Amino acid sequence: AQSVTQLGSHVSVSEGALVLLRCNYSSSVPPYLFWYVQYPNQGLQLLLKYTSAATLVKGINGFEAEFKKSETSFHLTKPSAHMSDAAEYFCAVSMEYGNKLVFGAGTILRVKS
Amino acid sequence: NAGVTQTPKFQVLKTGQSMTLQCAQDMNHEYMSWYRQDPGMGLRLIHYSVGAGITDQGEVPNGYNVSRSTTEDFPLRLLSAAPSQTSVYFCASSRSTAGGKDTQYFGPGTRLTVL
Repeated sequence: AQSVTQLGSHVSVSEGALVLLRCNYSSSVPPYLFWYVQYPNQGLQLLLKYTSAATLVKGINGFEAEFKKSETSFHLTKPSAHMSDAAEYFCAVSMEYGNKLVFGAGTILRVKS
Repeated sequence: NAGVTQTPKFQVLKTGQSMTLQCAQDMNHEYMSWYRQDPGMGLRLIHYSVGAGITDQGEVPNGYNVSRSTTEDFPLRLLSAAPSQTSVYFCASSRSTAGGKDTQYFGPGTRLTVL
């Protein structure tokens, strides 16, 4: 069975600092991986996804993530945090056959001025 | 396109009451699903559908029913509400049913409280 672990339920960074949100997955075969963002009282919006093309994936709002098979990781980064990045971020995995997403528990990002 | 719409936005029920959460999409997507979001647990799949007339259970299906009579609509029914069903419910859809790389588009959610 697939599972996703997000290390750190809360992450706090200063405005302009590097954002690093960690995601590790367990899967017996290479999966598809997603990062979604949820702003307060809203639905989930896709940030980026890995679909077995390039291992470094660029998404919206300056975010990117790197798929590392040897580490079973898909960490999300952004070089310089902005106040508007404050939100909850979810990592999710799905398999080649079927569209069922398995989500991590989420990481709440706080950006300090 | 309105995308994925959900009604109502908020609902308060008493234990034992039943209700239907509505979900509709106007993107002609084959795949639709329902998730519940609870603090510290991420989103968990309740039921999903790969097309009109075809539904299946997800990770946490107990206490919920679904049907898919049209491509556009995928309602979620709570048969006899319990306090454990207090949660935020999200409906999602994606274009195809085969191949897990399709992006799923989420509705704005329904916040349900069961007293």
